Amino acid sequence: ETGVTQSPTHLIKTRGQQVTLRCSSQSGHNTVSWYQQALGQGPQFIFQYYREEENGRGNFPPRFSGLQFPNYSSELNVNALELDDSALYLCASSLGPGGSVNNEQFFGPGTRLTVL
Amino acid sequence: RKEVEQDPGPFNVPEGATVAFNCTYSNSASQSFFWYRQDCRKEPKLLMSVYSSGNEDGRFTAQLNRASQYISLLIRDSKLSDSATYLCVGVPMNRDDKIIFGKGTRLHILP
Repeated sequence: ETGVTQSPTHLIKTRGQQVTLRCSSQSGHNTVSWYQQALGQGPQFIFQYYREEENGRGNFPPRFSGLQFPNYSSELNVNALELDDSALYLCASSLGPGGSVNNEQFFGPGTRLTVL
Repeated sequence: RKEVEQDPGPFNVPEGATVAFNCTYSNSASQSFFWYRQDCRKEPKLLMSVYSSGNEDGRFTAQLNRASQYISLLIRDSKLSDSATYLCVGVPMNRDDKIIFGKGTRLHILP
């Protein structure tokens, strides 16, 4: 196990609702990245948080927002849910941001979100 | 051109065979590369980092060719348990750049 936890494991929402997903990073890791993975696709980078600041963002609209807390745990918030938001949401923690072979990302088990 | 491209497969390979697949990338700012394996409906798990000089971990060998902008993964003496989807990812040195995963290559090891 990676030590990265996510909650909840499954969630069902309806269009227009809002959702908050949570992630606890591995001990000693100060960077959390969030990904959306649709069926049959690779993980799509949403954004990354490093020491409580957003540090890089993928091609996702502003209704996807996040937060990182002083203990480096993180939240992903999605407003005005759409059917296409149905996916597996993964968070990954790492020792730091940026490209280094020492900055491997360790994934949590994911939250499976279904939007009806 | 997509930023990270992988042949989706599936690669159907008999047990014991050697299999190799590549991943090409277009973003020269990508600094580090990794291979992950993902089992059905599970999270990706780190398989190995990819070093510029190439690296080996048991039956697995990873190579990086910066000139041609591709990374490769070679699996020798394949086992049934190697059946999974293999994802490559490029991580930029610039902290503000995106982390890009490929869509993955599906591998089926046949008994």
